[in-house]
Amino acid sequence: KAGVTQTPRYLIKTRGQQVTLSCSPISGHRSVSWYQQTPGQGLQFLFEYFSETQRNKGNFPGRFSGRQFSNSRSEMNVSTLELGDSALYLCASSLSTTGNPLPLHFGNGTRLTVT
Amino acid sequence: GENVEQHPSTLSVQEGDSAVIKCTYSDSASNYFPWYKQELGKRPQLIIDIRSNVGEKKDQRIAVTLNKTAKHFSLHITETQPEDSAVYFCAAFEFSGGYNKLIFGAGTRLAVHP
Repeated sequence: KAGVTQTPRYLIKTRGQQVTLSCSPISGHRSVSWYQQTPGQGLQFLFEYFSETQRNKGNFPGRFSGRQFSNSRSEMNVSTLELGDSALYLCASSLSTTGNPLPLHFGNGTRLTVT
Repeated sequence: GENVEQHPSTLSVQEGDSAVIKCTYSDSASNYFPWYKQELGKRPQLIIDIRSNVGEKKDQRIAVTLNKTAKHFSLHITETQPEDSAVYFCAAFEFSGGYNKLIFGAGTRLAVHP
């Protein structure tokens, strides 16, 4: 079974631009979560989607948004990029459906560099 | 919300020694505690997890213990090998009526020296 796939692997953008990252979960996984990983802050929760609905959101500004499609693929968008948005963005999928926590399976991430 | 603290931030051991990483959490309602290993340039991978109805779990050289009263859990690696060198993250599931909101510790960089 294929793992979580994230595209692109690397992105370089300039301040003020916007960016869209894509995530394809493991087949059958309907829950998709996004995390931001930086050296100083570790893994910070962005949001979680299940059946095209955002169920949870972390403490990030409104410039960070996401969506999920009917095939469970997810995208996250960051508008008006700032230098501090440079990070590794990780997507994770899970079989969990009813609040019974199950392991997250991570993709390889998209490394975003803002110049 | 949930807060997870992880110690130490770096750990250096000799091959064959044991390594222990400790985490504390704040939300007494948290009921699921996974540990992830992230090698340089790779994705975090689940190595072991424990639920709140269990006090200890083992998988070969790796074990996790949970003390619900004190709200802390620990990862124990015995007979360490150079390939155990990585960053280890603990996490706690925040039970806020939501789903799959894992709150991670800041990570421990483990170096195993031959």
